[in-house]
Amino acid sequence: EAGVTQSPTHLIKTRGQQVTLRCSPISGHTSVYWYQQALGLGLQFLLWYDEGEERNRGNFPPRFSGRQFPNYSSELNVNALELEDSALYLCASRKAGTGNTGELFFGEGSRLTVL
Amino acid sequence: GDSVTQMEGPVTLSEEAFLTINCTYTATGYPSLFWYVQYPGEGLQLLLKATKADDKGSNKGFEATYRKETTSFHLEKGSVQVSDSAVYFCALSAQGAQKLVFGQGTRLTINP
Repeated sequence: EAGVTQSPTHLIKTRGQQVTLRCSPISGHTSVYWYQQALGLGLQFLLWYDEGEERNRGNFPPRFSGRQFPNYSSELNVNALELEDSALYLCASRKAGTGNTGELFFGEGSRLTVL
Repeated sequence: GDSVTQMEGPVTLSEEAFLTINCTYTATGYPSLFWYVQYPGEGLQLLLKATKADDKGSNKGFEATYRKETTSFHLEKGSVQVSDSAVYFCALSAQGAQKLVFGQGTRLTINP
């Protein structure tokens, strides 16, 4: 069974540009989560999608947005990039119906560098 | 709001030493508690979990007990190996919530 896959693995952008990160969850998982892991910091919750809808959002500005497609894959978009957006962006998926006890399965992340 | 506080790192130990990484939490109700591990160059993976008070999660020689009275979920291992070198994250998922709230992570290095 394939795990959570993310693309691209690495990318470099300049300030003011826009970026799109992609995530494919484990087959059968309907929930997708996005986290930001800045250097030296823990994981900060960005977004949670379930069944195509945005269910919860972390304390990030509106230039961070995303969507979930009918096949449950997801995109994270970041507009007007700033230097402090440089981080590892992690996607995770969770099986439906597991509530707050279920495990999140993480991808290996997309490392974004903003110059 | 919900939060997790972990012992600050980095932590450096010799092989076969005893390991404790402290984790305390703040949450309403009865959260589920998790330890995740991030090996160099890899994504996070679940190490162990406990979903109710007094439960003990265990895996790969690691253990943690859900202590409601002290709001803690400390990670322990009796004899660490070089291969245990990684970053360890404590996390909670609050009752009725879906997202995981993570601590800041503790970098562990084991020297041979």
